[in-house]
Amino acid sequence: DTAVSQTPKYLVTQMGNDKSIKCEQNLGHDTMYWYKQDSKKFLKIMFSYNNKELIINETVPNRFSPKSPDKAHLNLHINSLELGDSAVYFCASSPAWASGSYEQYFGPGTRLTVT
Amino acid sequence: KQEVTQIPAALSVPEGENLVLNCSFTDSAIYNLQWFRQDPGKGLTSLLLIQSSQREQTSGRLNASLDKSSGRSTLYIAASQPGDSATYLCAVRQYSDYKLSFGAGTTVTVRA
Repeated sequence: DTAVSQTPKYLVTQMGNDKSIKCEQNLGHDTMYWYKQDSKKFLKIMFSYNNKELIINETVPNRFSPKSPDKAHLNLHINSLELGDSAVYFCASSPAWASGSYEQYFGPGTRLTVT
Repeated sequence: KQEVTQIPAALSVPEGENLVLNCSFTDSAIYNLQWFRQDPGKGLTSLLLIQSSQREQTSGRLNASLDKSSGRSTLYIAASQPGDSATYLCAVRQYSDYKLSFGAGTTVTVRA
């Protein structure tokens, strides 16, 4: 069984479009994250939700909007896509936020290409 | 601001040789350090998690050490195999904001 899953795996779209990436975890974790991996392979956190509450909101354009309908799901909606948004987006989860000792489990990633 | 550096950026070894991957971080106030493996076009697989109170963790052929005071961790992979070829990332979770900060990774190639 897949622990953290993302859809779609690949997304190719044109500039100016709006798209969404979905993430689901079946681990019963309280905390979920979105990371962006750029062309230089650095992974940087974008958002984190704990029990559906936004707790980390890094300096990302407000065209990016996360939504957590329940603890098991964290979706990422991107408006007015730009060339610079091309990257691999990873979803992750961890058992809880309050305890920093927990490890994070990552999904397979969504490769977004904006043309 | 936490900065995580991994040296070397790339490594190529013949099969059977032991691998030594280095990770350093600037802020020693961390909860834990996690080593990941990333295969091309794939997600991240957690290999080892070392809590700040621990000095090492072992799993099979993998051994990771942590020297928090000097801001260093080393991942050892014994008797490397071609299947060990991947990019290895280290990440530290810091006290200040619980965020995970990643290094850029070491890309390993094990030649058969």
